Amino acid sequence: GAGVSQSPSNKVTEKGKDVELRCDPISGHTALYWYRQSLGQGLEFLIYFQGNSAPDKSGLPSDRFSAERTGGSVSTLTIQRTQQEDSAVYLCASSLGLGRLGETQYFGPGTRLLVL
Amino acid sequence: KQEVTQIPAALSVPEGENLVLNCSFTDSAIYNLQWFRQDPGKGLTSLLLIQSSQREQTSGRLNASLDKSSGRSTLYIAASQPGDSATYLCAVIAPDYKLSFGAGTTVTVRA
Repeated sequence: GAGVSQSPSNKVTEKGKDVELRCDPISGHTALYWYRQSLGQGLEFLIYFQGNSAPDKSGLPSDRFSAERTGGSVSTLTIQRTQQEDSAVYLCASSLGLGRLGETQYFGPGTRLLVL
Repeated sequence: KQEVTQIPAALSVPEGENLVLNCSFTDSAIYNLQWFRQDPGKGLTSLLLIQSSQREQTSGRLNASLDKSSGRSTLYIAASQPGDSATYLCAVIAPDYKLSFGAGTTVTVRA
């Protein structure tokens, strides 16, 4: 597609349920990032995929969060046993992943998650 | 840990006035700095990316400067328009390609 797409655009769930958020990066982009924007706070890095390398999971806030990327393209962020503090906008971005300076990250529209 | 600060948090100006948005960061070991725009209910749009070896970048009415040694960047928007109303985010890119974001400056341009 022309840009990064994310689904669903909005998700309301009950505390304790699991949720899956999907990201389709720009075709040909090998680097994929997940970020979270909580109400009133800045964006925080969650996880980074680069090609077939092991992902950088250093930003995941707890072991309830996991992500995978299948076939080097689509990525799914899974939150298990959701808590109210997980409510946020989850943003996905992709870049060419060539490892060169000046590489812009392109963001999707985000998934707004509300945990009741 | 990299800390990114944006001042002011909010700005309201009449149409036609120039805008000056400030960003500071604590660790000068960065690869790039990127300015984004975020409209309500939408994702981020990249405006300008400045490589660490550059001093400034320009695109239309936008100009961004970077002083890496002092940990500062400034985004200038000339002749503001109501359509410029949005939240502007500054992000620094570390050598491991992670972005650290500021909290943003929310701009309102009054017609």
